[in-house]
Amino acid sequence: DAGVTQSPTHLIKTRGQQVTLRCSPKSGHDTVSWYQQALGQGPQFIFQYYEEEERQRGNFPDRFSGHQFPNYSSELNVNALLLGDSALYLCASSLSPGVGELFFGEGSRLTVL
Amino acid sequence: QQQVKQSPQSLIVQKGGISIINCAYENTAFDYFPWYQQFPGKGPALLIAIRPDVSEKKEGRFTISFNKSAKQFSLHIMDSQPGDSATYFCAARVGSASKIIFGSGTRLSIRP
Repeated sequence: DAGVTQSPTHLIKTRGQQVTLRCSPKSGHDTVSWYQQALGQGPQFIFQYYEEEERQRGNFPDRFSGHQFPNYSSELNVNALLLGDSALYLCASSLSPGVGELFFGEGSRLTVL
Repeated sequence: QQQVKQSPQSLIVQKGGISIINCAYENTAFDYFPWYQQFPGKGPALLIAIRPDVSEKKEGRFTISFNKSAKQFSLHIMDSQPGDSATYFCAARVGSASKIIFGSGTRLSIRP
C-alpha cells in the first residue's frame, strides 16, 4: 500500500520564478492538505483540497495556489518566489476533510536563491 | 488564539528515563489533540492523539495527559530509547475546521 508520495524531493529556484510541487495521496484517501515547514519550525497549514475544490486556507498570500485532480492527486503552485519561501513543503492526505489523522509524505525541499 | 505553545525546544534524556514535552493552548474550540513524531528527512507521523473529554490516553510507552481546565496537555515517553530520538510536535484542531495547527516542536535526544 503506497503512502503519500511527493515530487520532486529537492529543487532550487531563483527569486521571481514559479514552482509546481506534486502529491499523490495514500490509497483510499480523497483529501489533500499542504503544509510549509521552515527549518526548525512546525508545519504551517497552507490549504486543503477535497472534491477538487479548496476547502480551507491558511494565512498564505495568493501567490500560493493549488489544484486537485479527479484521481485525488494535487499540485501546489507558488508564483513570484521569494527567499522566504525556502522551506520543506509537506503534503498530507486523510480519509475525509473532517478526519484528524493526517498521513504525510516526505516533502519537497525548496531552496530559493 | 490559534496557537499551540510547546516546550521545551530541546530535551536530552538518558536511556531508560522519562521524556516529558508540554503544550498549552487558548482556543477552547479545539477538539482533537494529536502528537506527531518526525525523523530527519521524513514527514511527520502520527504518534498518539486525544480528545478533550479524556484526561489520559496510553499507547505502549507513550502517554498523553490532558488538563482541560488548565488548557494544557503533555506527552510522556516512558523507558526512553535511542530510537525515540526525533522531533516531536503537539498539534490541535478545531472541529469545524479541517486544518491542524502545530506547535513549534521539541528536539528530543536520548543518550545511551
